[in-house]
Amino acid sequence: AQTVTQSQPEMSVQEAETVTLSCTYDTSESDYYLFWYKQPPSRQMILVIRQEAYKQQNATENRFSVNFQKAAKSFSLKISDSQLGDAAMYFCAYNTNAGKSTFGDGTTLTVKP
Amino acid sequence: GAVVSQHPSWVICKSGTSVKIECRSLDFQATTMFWYRQFPKQSLMLMATSNEGSKATYEQGVEKDKFLINHASLTLSTLTVTSAHPEDSSFYICSASPAGSQETQYFGPGTRLLVL
Repeated sequence: AQTVTQSQPEMSVQEAETVTLSCTYDTSESDYYLFWYKQPPSRQMILVIRQEAYKQQNATENRFSVNFQKAAKSFSLKISDSQLGDAAMYFCAYNTNAGKSTFGDGTTLTVKP
Repeated sequence: GAVVSQHPSWVICKSGTSVKIECRSLDFQATTMFWYRQFPKQSLMLMATSNEGSKATYEQGVEKDKFLINHASLTLSTLTVTSAHPEDSSFYICSASPAGSQETQYFGPGTRLLVL
């Protein structure tokens, strides 16, 4: 069975600084997808970034980028120039074409002004 | 972008009553919808997967007769909590996957259920 591990229950960052959230996963599949979701206090799940396993290039979305290490089964999220609005719970997730997602336990990010 | 709505956003009910939560994909057809339960500061726990026109697939430990799921059309799935009890109080989230893009999920805003 696939598992997703987020080893940092809580992280904090100073506004305008950079922070990296860790995620590792375990799978025997070769074709899969990885996601980072943000859940702010409103509890609406928001897709931050996605990565296809067959792509070697790391995905980027503005201030958000990932470091995807397929051999190490690692998928970390880097947030640059952190903003107060980035404060939220972040979930790493794994999925395949079958559609069922596996989520990590989440990392609560605090942004200090 | 793809939008998923949930209704109601929050509901308070008496113990023993049933509550229905609707999940709609507003601008795309969803062949598959998922229902999750989330406790405060915890991850999403998948309850069931519903495919349009067929019976839902429930995760281990989820009572089928307690949590009735119907996926009657490509844009609507409903979750009915039958004979609700205080321990059913939780935050329920649905998500929908567009046809041909099973790996992508768009999430509804969630429904907060409080059973008194």
